[in-house]
Amino acid sequence: KQEVTQIPAALSVPEGENLVLNCSFTDSAIYNLQWFRQDPGKGLTSLLLIQSSQREQTSGRLNASLDKSSGRSTLYIAASQPGDSATYLCAVRPQGGSEKLVFGKGTKLTVNP
Amino acid sequence: DGGITQSPKYLFRKEGQNVTLSCEQNLNHDAMYWYRQDPGQGLRLIYYSQIVNDFQKGDIAEGYSVSREKKESFPLTVTSAQKNPTAFYLCASGRAGTEAFFGQGTRLTVV
Repeated sequence: KQEVTQIPAALSVPEGENLVLNCSFTDSAIYNLQWFRQDPGKGLTSLLLIQSSQREQTSGRLNASLDKSSGRSTLYIAASQPGDSATYLCAVRPQGGSEKLVFGKGTKLTVNP
Repeated sequence: DGGITQSPKYLFRKEGQNVTLSCEQNLNHDAMYWYRQDPGQGLRLIYYSQIVNDFQKGDIAEGYSVSREKKESFPLTVTSAQKNPTAFYLCASGRAGTEAFFGQGTRLTVV
């Protein structure tokens, strides 16, 4: 059974710092991996989607990498801002045509001004 | 605007009552999903549908029911058989195997 773990559960950094959020998964047979952002009481906003054949994806100050063989993904946020404060979730879609996304519990990020 | 609309934003249910959460999308996506989110837990899949008039149970389907009569709509009914329904419910849609997009959620509370 696929399990997704995100460490740390919470992270507090000063504004301007570069930071890395981690996501690990137990079964390397994935179709793709998606990073989301969730603000309190809100739905999920898609940040980046990495297909299993890709190593990384970039969008603005965000860069996500994928190492499928080791079961790990990282989300790098450059020059963090208070507006980046949110919970970040990663989810994997297993191979085999499954439509199920398996989620981690998220990392709650606080960027202090 | 294209997107996923969930309604209502807040819903209160009395003991023994069935309630229905609405989810509509105008993104022309084939697949739609319902997830439940509880504090300190990851999102858990309730039901999903890959095509009109077809749907599959997820990991926690007991006490819930769905229908998919139209491509745009995937309503979720929380029945009285669901003993602990208080949670945040999220609807999502996507094309098969690609990026999933989420609505803004419905917070259901038992009173």
